[in-house]
Amino acid sequence: QQQVKQSPQSLIVQKGGISIINCAYENTAFDYFPWYQQFPGKGPALLIAIRPDVSEKKEGRFTISFNKSAKQFSLHIMDSQPGDSATYFCAASWGEGETSGSRLTFGEGTQLTVNP
Amino acid sequence: DVKVTQSSRYLVKRTGEKVFLECVQDMDHENMFWYRQDPGLGLRLIYFSYDVKMKEKGDIPEGYSVSREKKERFSLILESASTNQTSMYLCASLSIVITGTQETQYFGPGTRLLVL
Repeated sequence: QQQVKQSPQSLIVQKGGISIINCAYENTAFDYFPWYQQFPGKGPALLIAIRPDVSEKKEGRFTISFNKSAKQFSLHIMDSQPGDSATYFCAASWGEGETSGSRLTFGEGTQLTVNP
Repeated sequence: DVKVTQSSRYLVKRTGEKVFLECVQDMDHENMFWYRQDPGLGLRLIYFSYDVKMKEKGDIPEGYSVSREKKERFSLILESASTNQTSMYLCASLSIVITGTQETQYFGPGTRLLVL
């Protein structure tokens, strides 16, 4: 059972456009929501992350919007570039301590293509 | 820079073989993880370890075991490989910023395993 649902599965955007990827979660105990970016042949790498005490976090062209009541969060990529073409994963984790604090549950992934 | 290395990029094994996947990290991280990545399913946690000789089952541990004899090394073992274990396997280690505000999993490049 997927606790974090991600959509769309694939996304094609023109250069300069806005890419939006959405995620919904079920477990209200989740308190950390990162996005990872994966290029072909590479492992995923942390892109940006948010905690539920804020509704938005921005780093450069990347913004996370977080809606706690709806249990949804989304990644917005402004001025999308061909170099942003990659697979994006949302994730969630909860708790503190050695065993459960950073156990991530990932969404299914979105393959983003930005056309020149 | 954190470096997570995996022993092989590609492996081809036969059904019933015992398979060892090795992962080494160079940043003295306590927590290490093994995931498998399959299209449309995202990353799913197989096992993780929060200390030497300590391990916990993830979401899909069946058919796998792990070993952590040294802090920097985390091994995934397929006791008797089956065709449904054909997948991309990703290792990760965890860095927690001292304030606890950001938790970054650093991934290796992955091992693509084909079981015939």
